[in-house]
Amino acid sequence: GQQLNQSPQSMFIQEGEDVSMNCTSSSIFNTWLWYKQDPGEGPVLLIALYKAGELTSNGRLTAQFGITRKDSFLNISASIPSDVGIYFCAGQRPGANSKLTFGKGITLSVRP
Amino acid sequence: NAGVTQTPKFRVLKTGQSMTLLCAQDMNHEYMYWYRQDPGMGLRLIHYSVGEGTTAKGEVPDGYNVSRLKKQNFLLGLESAAPSQTSVYFCASSYPGTATEAFFGQGTRLTVV
Repeated sequence: GQQLNQSPQSMFIQEGEDVSMNCTSSSIFNTWLWYKQDPGEGPVLLIALYKAGELTSNGRLTAQFGITRKDSFLNISASIPSDVGIYFCAGQRPGANSKLTFGKGITLSVRP
Repeated sequence: NAGVTQTPKFRVLKTGQSMTLLCAQDMNHEYMYWYRQDPGMGLRLIHYSVGEGTTAKGEVPDGYNVSRLKKQNFLLGLESAAPSQTSVYFCASSYPGTATEAFFGQGTRLTVV
C-alpha cells in the first residue's frame, strides 16, 4: 500500500536542542497528523493539519502541511527528556476518508 | 473519560490456540480500527469498520477476523494463532469525515509460542 517515508529510523539529540522530522510521500494527502508513542503506550495525537501550507503549534511542537501536499514536518524546540519516544506521521489520502496511512516512525532519544 | 480500552493487555498463546481481543470506545465514534505494530514496520492496518455491522480488510488481514456487533465494540479474533502473529495490537477509533483523527488504546502485547 501507499507508504509515508520517515527517516532516519532513530535520532539522538542533546537535551535543549531543537530537532526536525520530515514525512514525505509520492502521493498527495488531504490531512497530515503527527503522533507520539511513549514506551508501552498507544500513540497519542500531537498535531493535526488540514490545509496545504498550514503551520500549527502545540507548545514546543510546530508542524507544517507541505504546500505540495506531499510532505509534512514536525519541529520540537528545546528538547527535554520526556520527548523520548516514537514519532509517527500519518496522512489521509483523497477518497480514503475512513483510513489513515502511517509512516514507520522515528525513535527519538534525548541525552540529558 | 476512558476513551479507547483494550483487553487483555498481555497474553501468551500456544500455536494453534484461538483468542479474541476486545476493544471498547466511549466516544460514540463511527470508525474503529485494528492495527499491529512490529519493530521497524510501524503501524499496519489489519481490519477496520465504518459503522455497526460493517467491517473491511486492511493491509494485513490474513489470519484475523473481526466483528462489530455494537457501535462501541470492535472484536479481533485469531482462530489459529501462529508465531508470526506475535505483535503488539492497537485498537483505534475516530469520527467519520475528512478530518480523521484516530484515538488509540494502550495496546495488547500478544506472544505466540
